[in-house]
Amino acid sequence: EAQVTQNPRYLITVTGKKLTVTCSQNMNHEYMSWYRQDPGLGLRQIYYSMNVEVTDKGDVPEGYKVSRKEKRNFPLILESPSPNQTSLYFCASSFRPEIQPQHFGDGTRLSIL
Amino acid sequence: EDQVTQSPEALRLQEGESSSLNCSYTVSGLRGLFWYRQDPGKGPEFLFTLYSAGEEKEKERLKATLTKKESFLHITAPKPEDSATYLCAVQGGSGGSNYKLTFGKGTLLTVNP
Repeated sequence: EAQVTQNPRYLITVTGKKLTVTCSQNMNHEYMSWYRQDPGLGLRQIYYSMNVEVTDKGDVPEGYKVSRKEKRNFPLILESPSPNQTSLYFCASSFRPEIQPQHFGDGTRLSIL
Repeated sequence: EDQVTQSPEALRLQEGESSSLNCSYTVSGLRGLFWYRQDPGKGPEFLFTLYSAGEEKEKERLKATLTKKESFLHITAPKPEDSATYLCAVQGGSGGSNYKLTFGKGTLLTVNP
């Protein structure tokens, strides 16, 4: 089954404790992206990747890092999380984003105390 | 900067009562307009892509249309299982190689039996 898998689905942690949210897709997609969803703000892009070793900032990259060492994986790293990063995070992927839709994972809800 | 405004924020219908959701947008060079459905605790699920004014797409009780300034999602004879948040997103040409989606805040649709 084609899918985008995120882990963990839920996480409560404390300020400053480094964490990684993993994202994996099994569709051989080249394009991957991270979004965060906040009430009243909608979904906003954090980072994206066009292919292995090619990543760039989206609209709200501050406080986040990403890496793309393999085509299927695109982890989101919060090196020193802060309460304003409490949010619902989605990973998305697409084979050809200019002509095909992006497919989303089921989300990771992060609470940073 | 690309912008998407969805209305109404919330819509409550009786089963069988047809209606429309609106998505107004401003974008620099529209590459595509996307409709997604989001259920609680889930990621956005792709419904339609529209590329040019005048285009229409249909799927079961849903029909999406596109003009140069807005898109409509028409729901004909809705059922309770159509209850969800419907998201509209645009992919603009100003992003260069970034095929990011700019989302509206969504319309929460509730269909009562």
